[in-house]
Amino acid sequence: EAQVTQNPRYLITVTGKKLTVTCSQNMNHEYMSWYRQDPGLGLRQIYYSMNVEVTDKGDVPEGYKVSRKEKRNFPLILESPSPNQTSLYFCASRTTGGGLEKLFFGSGTQLSVL
Amino acid sequence: QKEVEQDPGPLSVPEGAIVSLNCTYSNSAFQYFMWYRQYSRKGPELLMYTYSSGNKEDGRFTAQVDKSSKYISLFIRDSQPSDSATYLCAMENRDDKIIFGKGTRLHILP
Repeated sequence: EAQVTQNPRYLITVTGKKLTVTCSQNMNHEYMSWYRQDPGLGLRQIYYSMNVEVTDKGDVPEGYKVSRKEKRNFPLILESPSPNQTSLYFCASRTTGGGLEKLFFGSGTQLSVL
Repeated sequence: QKEVEQDPGPLSVPEGAIVSLNCTYSNSAFQYFMWYRQYSRKGPELLMYTYSSGNKEDGRFTAQVDKSSKYISLFIRDSQPSDSATYLCAMENRDDKIIFGKGTRLHILP
């Protein structure tokens, strides 16, 4: 089954404790992206990657890191989480064939930073 | 002016009613227009897409784009309780960047 898998689904942590949210896709997609979703603010892009070893900042990259060492994986790293990073996070992937390509989303990671 | 504007709702309608969801946009470079549906505690899923002005129909759903007015709509006919979800409009420009609306929460009342 074609899917984007995120882990964990729920995470509660404390300020300053480094964490990683994993994302993996099994569709051989070149493009992967991280979004955060907050009430009243909608989906905002954090980082994206057009292919292996290529990453770019989205609209709200501060406080986040990413890496793309393999095509299927795109982890999101919070080196020193703060309460304003409490949010619902989504990983997404798609092909880059030009034209409209369907974006596949994971099921989300609800992060709470205390 | 924000690039994409969408009324967050919530919008509550009785079962069987016709639902109209709308977005406006300001960037004339957008060339693809999409609607994503997001159920509670799930990721968004692509519902419909179009790349030109006019209507596109798929079952009970119709997507409408008016590029001259920079206005897109999603109509749901014979609405069902299972249609209760958040609907996000999304638009893509020639650089492959997708901009999402904030989403409209829809409740279909049995």
